Amino acid sequence: DAGITQSPRHKVTETGTPVTLRCHQTENHRYMYWYRQDPGHGLRLIHYSYGVKDTDKGEVSDGYSVSRSKTEDFLLTLESATSSQTSVYFCAISMDSSGNTIYFGEGSWLTVV
Amino acid sequence: GNSVTQMEGPVTLSEEAFLTINCTYTATGYPSLFWYVQYPGEGLQLLLKATKADDKGSNKGFEATYRKETTSFHLEKGSVQVSDSAVYFCALRDNQGGKLIFGQGTELSVKP
Repeated sequence: DAGITQSPRHKVTETGTPVTLRCHQTENHRYMYWYRQDPGHGLRLIHYSYGVKDTDKGEVSDGYSVSRSKTEDFLLTLESATSSQTSVYFCAISMDSSGNTIYFGEGSWLTVV
Repeated sequence: GNSVTQMEGPVTLSEEAFLTINCTYTATGYPSLFWYVQYPGEGLQLLLKATKADDKGSNKGFEATYRKETTSFHLEKGSVQVSDSAVYFCALRDNQGGKLIFGQGTELSVKP
């Protein structure tokens, strides 16, 4: 296992509430990613980070923000959750941005009611 | 932009059948290519990868060859088992931030 811990693993929340998902890694990898997985869409990138306090948007970033104050932690925040954000969220890490493998966490199941 | 297209599922096979899951890509340059597997309720695990043209990745009886001329990275296995039932994702490593761009995934179901 790649030393990635996601929390919480399962959460049910109400529409309009803020939600924060945490990704913690013990590998000291520079790159971290947040993806969401939905039926028929595969995995789509939300945001990624290429270092402490260095982040950039992915293809489905609207409604999400991220922060990375330490190498080991990458937080994903839904400022005001909507039902369309019901999904499975995966964190991933990589040593670099080229051919090395990207490793995935176990996922966080989020339901917005 | 870069993209990955893989055959739609679900694919249902009998045990010991031959498996092919097609994957083609569109990309500038020659990105690294990957196959990931996802078992029910779990995260994605790397199955195999290839980092340059004509490389063959292999693992657990699965193989895929990086074909530059056909921009393809088809996954094959000579004899599938029930335990191979999972969703398989083809992906390329984008040179912007090194992010993975995924195909839609192909669900494989192997019957005894």
